Amino acid sequence: SQQGEEDPQALSIQEGENATMNCSYKTSINNLQWYRQNSGRGLVHLILIRSNEREKHSGRLRVTLDTSKKSSSLLITASRAADTASYFCATDGNSNSGYALNFGKGTSLLVTP
Amino acid sequence: NAGVTQTPKFQVLKTGQSMTLQCAQDMNHEYMSWYRQDPGMGLRLIHYSVGAGITDQGEVPNGYNVSRSTTEDFPLRLLSAAPSQTSVYFCASSLAGTGANVLTFGAGSRLTVL
Repeated sequence: SQQGEEDPQALSIQEGENATMNCSYKTSINNLQWYRQNSGRGLVHLILIRSNEREKHSGRLRVTLDTSKKSSSLLITASRAADTASYFCATDGNSNSGYALNFGKGTSLLVTP
Repeated sequence: NAGVTQTPKFQVLKTGQSMTLQCAQDMNHEYMSWYRQDPGMGLRLIHYSVGAGITDQGEVPNGYNVSRSTTEDFPLRLLSAAPSQTSVYFCASSLAGTGANVLTFGAGSRLTVL
């Protein structure tokens, strides 16, 4: 069953603005990851945050994790047209093997010049 | 370094036909997996493997078979294709045992079953 659920489903902003996407999940996790998918391509790993971390940065990306609310957010600052893509959160919760990742349905981000 | 290579990129089948989607990785990753991606459904795990000779079912395994005879290859077999299997299939791999399963994805295989 799908663990993560992204919100909003779609987001449209202008270049230079910040984009914030949220992810909620159902069971306890060891870590949470965010991936990006450009149209017609495979997913690419962006950032991982462990359950004992609250915030993590990578370039223009900022991820937060609130395990008490079972939620995470991905902030992309100073967005560019090249950031146009779908963004997915993935969690390792509810996994018997400890390896299987559960993905949400994604947020589709459109950045217009 | 090719990463994860999937073939074919596109395939059209008739109901009842069989085929194999190929997946190969050259990163010596122990963990390999297959996902399907459908509109509005996100990615769903079909089968996965934590090493040669070891496979297990994911969320939606029915209608699919896998085997892992080598570390590099993880083919996905459709024995009798159905229209419900029309989807985009992704193979992904990772180093196991690192405490976090960070996946490297292939480019995908788009399958249409008529």
